[in-house]
Amino acid sequence: EVQLQESGPGLVKPSQSLSLTCSVTGYSITSNYWGWIRKFPGNKMEWMGYISYSGSTSYNPSLKSRISITRDTSKNQFFLQLNSVTTEDTATYYCARYYYSSYFDYWGQGVMVTVSS
Amino acid sequence: NIVLTQSPATLSVTPGESVSLSCRASQSISTSIHWYQQKSNESPRLLIKYASQSISGIPSRFSGSGSGTDFTLSINRVESEDFSIYYCQQSYSSLYTFGAGTKLELK
Repeated sequence: EVQLQESGPGLVKPSQSLSLTCSVTGYSITSNYWGWIRKFPGNKMEWMGYISYSGSTSYNPSLKSRISITRDTSKNQFFLQLNSVTTEDTATYYCARYYYSSYFDYWGQGVMVTVSS
Repeated sequence: NIVLTQSPATLSVTPGESVSLSCRASQSISTSIHWYQQKSNESPRLLIKYASQSISGIPSRFSGSGSGTDFTLSINRVESEDFSIYYCQQSYSSLYTFGAGTKLELK
C-alpha cells in the first residue's frame, strides 16, 4: 500500500524558510507525480506544486520564486522548501501522490505549520 | 485560472436524507473534476475521479455527474460518518485548483 508521511518543524519564524520532508513507502517516487498541497485556516485548499517521476517540477505561480520541490530517490523522499515565509503561510501542509498529474489518490496525514515570531 | 465555485457552503441534513453538492467551473473543463471528502483532523480522501468514475473502497452511496462547467456530487441516504467537508478539484488546467468546499453538517 502506498503511504506518505510528512515531517518537519511546526513553527517557523517570519522571513525564514519552511522545509518539509515527505517519506513514501510502498511505491517508488521515480514513478508518477508527487505534490504538495496546503490547507489554510478557514478551509481553503491550495495546490503548491509537484515533482514528476523524471524530476521535473511545476509550481503554482502564486508562490513565484519562493518555492522549491526536490527529491532524494535513494531514500524515496521528496521535499518542500518555501522561502521568505509570512504569517499568511500558516497552514496544514500535505504531501500526496498526484496520479499522473490529475487527482490526488494517496495523502500524508498532514503537518500543521505556524509562522510566528 | 479556473475558478471552482461550490454550493452551498453549508448543508444541514438529517441521516437518511439524500443530498446533492454542486461544483461550477468558470470555464468548460470537460470531465476533469475530482471530489474529496475531508473529515475533521483527517487527510482528504478521494471519492470520485473524472466527474463520475468510482473509486475502489468508496461506498456506493457516493456518485458524481456532470461535464463542461456543472458538476454534482450526490450522496444517497446520508450516514452519520458522512458529515465532513467536500471539495472539488480540477485537472483541466495546469494550474490545479480546488473549490472552497461544502460542509455537510448534522441538522
